[in-house]
Amino acid sequence: NAGVTQTPKFRVLKTGQSMTLLCAQDMNHEYMYWYRQDPGMGLRLIHYSVGEGTTAKGEVPDGYNVSRLKKQNFLLGLESAAPSQTSVYFCASSPFLGDQPQHFGDGTRLSIL
Amino acid sequence: GENVEQHPSTLSVQEGDSAVIKCTYSDSASNYFPWYKQELGKRPQLIIDIRSNVGEKKDQRIAVTLNKTAKHFSLHITETQPEDSAVYFCASQPRGGYNKLIFGAGTRLAVHP
Repeated sequence: NAGVTQTPKFRVLKTGQSMTLLCAQDMNHEYMYWYRQDPGMGLRLIHYSVGEGTTAKGEVPDGYNVSRLKKQNFLLGLESAAPSQTSVYFCASSPFLGDQPQHFGDGTRLSIL
Repeated sequence: GENVEQHPSTLSVQEGDSAVIKCTYSDSASNYFPWYKQELGKRPQLIIDIRSNVGEKKDQRIAVTLNKTAKHFSLHITETQPEDSAVYFCASQPRGGYNKLIFGAGTRLAVHP
């Protein structure tokens, strides 16, 4: 059972380039989340989805877009990458039942030059 | 908005000693409080959680206590071992549903042999 799988694991971009981070979960979870993790700042929520076809803004959504066309996949896009978006990005998922933990993927380390 | 404060930011103990990490939260409607452990370069992993109808929960050397009146909760690790060295994050699940979490900034625990 793979759980939450993120691709790619590492990526280097130049300022202004675009890319999409992929997240897939095989636990049939309704809810999915994208976070960024920066030193000393914990995990900050970028966007989340409460079901197929839905997305919502989190704490730090600017500069990112997301899509959830299939229940098992949640995509995070950077349209025009900026050095401030250099970070480690984590995807997580959670079941529909309340008071449940989130399960995290291994992360994507993204550097923007 | 909702906020979780975590202290201390770094903690150094000798092997066999106890370690305590404290968190306070702002949303009195929060009902679920997980703790995650993150080893260097790895994903955050759930180690223990507590729900608001319980004051304390134990799992071998790890325990969590919750004081809803004071809006704070703590992680206690007894008989620490070098493999406990990691960054620990507390989180609270605020009102609004969808199992969203607000994370503390993290505590870097170092256990010295």
